Amino acid sequence: AQKVTQAQTEISVVEKEDVTLDCVYETRDTTYYLFWYKQPPSGELVFLIRRNSFDEQNEISGRYSWNFQKSTSSFNFTITASQVVDSAVYFCALRLTTDSWGKLQFGAGTQVVVTP
Amino acid sequence: DTGVSQNPRHKITKRGQNVTFRCDPISEHNRLYWYRQTLGQGPEFLTYFQNEAQLEKSRLLSDRFSAERPKGSFSTLEIQRTEQGDSAMYLCASSLRTSSTDTQYFGPGTRLTVL
Repeated sequence: AQKVTQAQTEISVVEKEDVTLDCVYETRDTTYYLFWYKQPPSGELVFLIRRNSFDEQNEISGRYSWNFQKSTSSFNFTITASQVVDSAVYFCALRLTTDSWGKLQFGAGTQVVVTP
Repeated sequence: DTGVSQNPRHKITKRGQNVTFRCDPISEHNRLYWYRQTLGQGPEFLTYFQNEAQLEKSRLLSDRFSAERPKGSFSTLEIQRTEQGDSAMYLCASSLRTSSTDTQYFGPGTRLTVL
């Protein structure tokens, strides 16, 4: 069975600090997709990134960067120079390529609190 | 460019009542998903439509739950004889099936409170 673990329940930082969110996944499948979503207090899940299992290149988008390591089944997310607007719950999710319907398996989420 | 919309945003009901939620996906998206999210947890898959066909249902979707997507456009999720355990955020997502790389875009959710 598939599983996504986000061990950090909550992380509190002061503005401008960097914050790294851990995501560890379990699957027997060799091909899959990994996602990160942001859920601000308004409740809507906002898509941040999709990564397929063939591509282990790290990615940077502005202040966001992602480190995918297939050897350790991890897909970690770093926010550099955090801002108050980054305060939200962040979810990591897994989708198997073999799942024709494409449903997502989410972790429990990590609450990020950025204080001024 | 309008995103996924859901109505109502909040619903408070008494135990035993029926409730219905609506989801309007992004136009031209042929895939539609319902998820349920309880406090402190990630969303859990409930059901999936491709166009108007409901192709998968989770074991979480008891007989009291029914979902439809007439004409492959909007979708409704009905809960009959609500129970306090049904209190949760119900999220809808849509995507466009292209290859295997479709990304799901979520609506703002409907928060259900069963008293």
